[in-house]
Order: sequence, then C-alpha cells, then structure tokens
Amino acid sequence: DTEVTQTPKHLVMGMTNKKSLKCEQHMGHRAMYWYKQKAKKPPELMFVYSYEKLSINESVPSRFSPECPNSSLLNLHLHALQPEDSALYLCASSQDQVVGQGHYEQYFGPGTRLTVT
Amino acid sequence: GQNIDQPTEMTATEGAIVQINCTYQTSGFNGLFWYQQHAGEAPTFLSYNVLDGLEEKGRFSSFLSRSKGYSYLLLKELQMKDSASYLCAVRAFISSGSARQLTFGSGTQLTVLP
Repeated sequence: DTEVTQTPKHLVMGMTNKKSLKCEQHMGHRAMYWYKQKAKKPPELMFVYSYEKLSINESVPSRFSPECPNSSLLNLHLHALQPEDSALYLCASSQDQVVGQGHYEQYFGPGTRLTVT
Repeated sequence: GQNIDQPTEMTATEGAIVQINCTYQTSGFNGLFWYQQHAGEAPTFLSYNVLDGLEEKGRFSSFLSRSKGYSYLLLKELQMKDSASYLCAVRAFISSGSARQLTFGSGTQLTVLP
C-alpha cells in the first residue's frame, strides 16, 4: 500500500469557522508533511513531523495548527482563515526525514481543495 | 536559501523526445527529485539523483551534475498523457541539525501535441 489518503476532498469554510483536514498513511513512514499549493505554483512546505514531533514550521500563521496524534495520522486544524488561504493543501509522507539509507521520496495524498469565503 | 529555475512552459509532439532542464543553487545539497503533476492532482514521484550521472527508468531519464548545479529530465516516446507539470525539487540539509527539507521549483508545464 503506497497510498496517502486525505479528507475531505473539498472544503468551503467561512472566515469564522473552525475545521480540520485529515491525512492518513499506512506505509510505516515516520515523516509526514503539510504543503500548500496555489494555482500554477509549486507546493510550499508548511510543516514537517518527524517521529510524531514537529521538526519544521515554515513560519506559518497560527491560524493553521498541525497535530500528529500517531505515526499514521496527521491533522491540520484551521481557524479564522482568510480568503487568501484558499488553496490545495497536500499531505505527504516519507520513510524518514533525517539522514539514513535510501532516497526516501515523498508520497503525496490527493489534497484537499480549500475555499475560504 | 535555495534558488531553483526551470522553464515555465514547453511544447512537444507525440512520439518525440523532450528535455526539461533545472538549475539550482543551494547549500547542504542532498538529492534532486523530479515529480509529475497533472492538473488538480497530487505530485507523483518520477526520479531521484544524488550522485552525478544518468538514471534511467523506462521512458524517463534524469541527469545530475552537482558541480554545475544542473539536472535534466528526459522524456522519450512522448504520449498525450505526459502532458503535465514537471517539478524539479531539491533536498538539502537545514541548518539546525540533520533534518532535510525539500524545496520545489516552479514547475514546467509540458504540452504534448498530436
């Protein structure tokens, strides 16, 4: 199983709403990632979890709050978002993030298309 | 920081060969990846280079020259389904420890014409 799943596929939320994006993988990967991708732009890294601990936060606003409940799950909690936060949110996982054997490519989920109104 | 450059758009004909170039500047280089992304879909892994030279994988090949900060993705026997965005991504050690981070180039939109 080389699949990363994300729910929901689409989400429309108002600026006062609280919602969560969910990501799951069962490949035994120990690194999980959140990316934000705007139309016709590359994915931009937001957060990295390594062994269930936050290892990288790319200066993301606090209205985005990641959570890694266990090694298979990654959540992104959303609160008081702005219209400019509308984008495709991609989750990815890789076997590891720190130095080790192998090339450890990242496997991406299908993404959640988020629209903030 | 990192700087990754690749052409914005390319067009080629079905059955032809196309080469997509990528140049980069980074410290702590630890590998270069190529991903394919169809519109509205997630990126999918195509190839990985960490040492100089050519890696071949079916119709796709990728080349790396670390001294020149240069890579290319070669697609042979182009098919219509190869129309997609091709993302060059550089992995590098971040300054605070042994963790590594992937940074994507802006992508090259390839259109394959019949």
